[in-house]
Amino acid sequence: AQKITQTQPGMFVQEKEAVTLDCTYDTSDQSYGLFWYKQPSSGEMIFLIYQGSYDEQNATEGRYSLNFQKARKSANLVISASQLGDSAMYFCAMRENTGGFKTIFGAGTRLFVKA
Amino acid sequence: NAGVTQTPKFQVLKTGQSMTLQCAQDMNHEYMSWYRQDPGMGLRLIHYSVGAGITDQGEVPNGYNVSRSTTEDFPLRLLSAAPSQTSVYFCASSVGDEQFFGPGTRLTVL
Repeated sequence: AQKITQTQPGMFVQEKEAVTLDCTYDTSDQSYGLFWYKQPSSGEMIFLIYQGSYDEQNATEGRYSLNFQKARKSANLVISASQLGDSAMYFCAMRENTGGFKTIFGAGTRLFVKA
Repeated sequence: NAGVTQTPKFQVLKTGQSMTLQCAQDMNHEYMSWYRQDPGMGLRLIHYSVGAGITDQGEVPNGYNVSRSTTEDFPLRLLSAAPSQTSVYFCASSVGDEQFFGPGTRLTVL
């Protein structure tokens, strides 16, 4: 069965420093996608980055990069040069590409950026 | 494009009442889904649809019904509301590698 684990309920980072948010997953599918979303205090869900299971390069989107280690089943989000506006909840999610494309989410990590 | 829209934004129900949460998208996406988010938790999949006329259950389907008669609309029906259904409900549609979320409906069941 699909499972997403985010083991860090909360993280602190100093402004302008980099931070890594952990995500491990479990699936028996060979084809799947991994996502990260940001949820600020206003409540909306904002798509950040996507990594396909067959992608050989780690995904990057601006200050966001996804450290994909397939053998370890981990998909950590790296935020470089943290900004105060990065303070939010961050969710890791996985979509299996067979059997209906269901997407499941982890419990989230709350990131606090300190000035 | 309006993207994914949800109505209402807020709703208070009494136990046992029924209601429908509306979701619509104007991006012609085949895949749509409903999630609930309880305080301090991630999103849990309720139901999803891979196209008009096709729906399936997610992780927490009990107490909810869906139908998909058109590509654009994917309503979620609460049959007999219970306090355990107090939550924020998100509708999403997707194409390719990105999922677009609606703004959410905050539902309280007394």
